[in-house]
Amino acid sequence: GENVEQHPSTLSVQEGDSAVIKCTYSDSASNYFPWYKQELGKGPQLIIDIRSNVGEKKDQRIAVTLNKTAKHFSLHITETQPEDSAVYFCAPDQTGANNLFFGTGTRLTVIP
Amino acid sequence: DADVTQTPRNRITKTGKRIMLECSQTKGHDRMYWYRQDPGLGLQLIYYSFDVKDINKGEISDGYSVSRQAQAKFSLSLESAIPNQTALYFCATSDSTETQYFGPGTRLLVL
Repeated sequence: GENVEQHPSTLSVQEGDSAVIKCTYSDSASNYFPWYKQELGKGPQLIIDIRSNVGEKKDQRIAVTLNKTAKHFSLHITETQPEDSAVYFCAPDQTGANNLFFGTGTRLTVIP
Repeated sequence: DADVTQTPRNRITKTGKRIMLECSQTKGHDRMYWYRQDPGLGLQLIYYSFDVKDINKGEISDGYSVSRQAQAKFSLSLESAIPNQTALYFCATSDSTETQYFGPGTRLLVL
């Protein structure tokens, strides 16, 4: 099955700084690469995703970059705000299964 | 997401008891999933269903069973609960775009 690793596991940044979280995966045939945000007491929610025919996608302060050759993709958050504090999960798809395989998460804390 | 509801939200049970967690969705999606989340870990897939007549095992199906009663309903059962099944359980739905929409979760404690 898919082997997914996220780094770092925890990240603290000052408000206004940028945050980057990296996800490495093992299945070279994965084609779909989403990032989910989980706030305390809630279920995960999709914040951005990218497919393998695109190298980068941006949505306001959030961006995702994909390097299929190296099998990793990254979440970039610029101008961080306290409400960005949450746990973030990458979840690349599993080939042929139409399922997602979740990483172990990164706890981001934005310090006001 | 209010379109995906889970009941109960919290449950305490004893070792050996059979319990059922229920999930309902109003999104009209064919695909439904049950996940388990342990502290400090990601979500592990227990079972999934792509339509009413389709049931598939996920990574950690042992000790669990599911029933897809209708397109909108997918229930998870613990046949004989044990303490290491204490966890947070999430239901999710998706359409063919692969984006998954999660319910608010059920916190289960097995004593």
